[in-house]
Amino acid sequence: QSALTQPASVSGSPGQSITISCTGTSSDLGSYNLVSWYQQHPGKAPKLMIYEVNKRPSGVSNRFSGSKSGHTASLTISGLQAEDEADYYCCSYGGSSPPWVFGGGTKLTVL
Amino acid sequence: EVQLVESGGGLVQPGGSLRLSCAASGFTFSSYEMHWVRQAPGKGLEWVSYISGSGTTIYYTDSVKGRFTISRDNAKNSLYLQMNSLRAEDTAIYYCARVGNSAYDFHYWGQGTLVTVSS
Repeated sequence: QSALTQPASVSGSPGQSITISCTGTSSDLGSYNLVSWYQQHPGKAPKLMIYEVNKRPSGVSNRFSGSKSGHTASLTISGLQAEDEADYYCCSYGGSSPPWVFGGGTKLTVL
Repeated sequence: EVQLVESGGGLVQPGGSLRLSCAASGFTFSSYEMHWVRQAPGKGLEWVSYISGSGTTIYYTDSVKGRFTISRDNAKNSLYLQMNSLRAEDTAIYYCARVGNSAYDFHYWGQGTLVTVSS
């Protein structure tokens, strides 16, 4: 399986909303509602932000939301803040080899 | 508090071996599936391997099959990754990760350990 497809970069101004897309195939995103999103600041470990398409772990701001339609998942961040500037990765369970596949990552710049 | 602490990384020559460890605390280790995820310098995340709580179910990404072995010692609350026949393309930070409410996400991550394969 190939990596999921994400835009290399997105940007937005403080207070605005942005959406990061994640496109897969019928074998992964198209077959399972098991997409998760991770935030990674430079030099830090990734942090789970969204799981099972649209569920937020305890402690994650409700400014972060997820959705999915067909083979494409999306992460929306509303009310952008400077601390949201980071790399974001989507990941989907794919059932077969490999069972888990990540997107290439999207660098979010808060202008 | 869930804690995952990796160790064992370092510089190794191509063809060499290395064993990574991940010490877990703050939860009942045997009840949770675990993963290894790696990140090459300046690159994205790549899933490497999975092991069930009992250790009976294991998966690998194709590029490491036959070279890497994941294992766990539930009595020692530890996860391992034995890496043999290392290649330059295995150079990466290796993270251990624990599943969360969903068995399909990576909820908790360690700080990572750097493996550099170079002559």
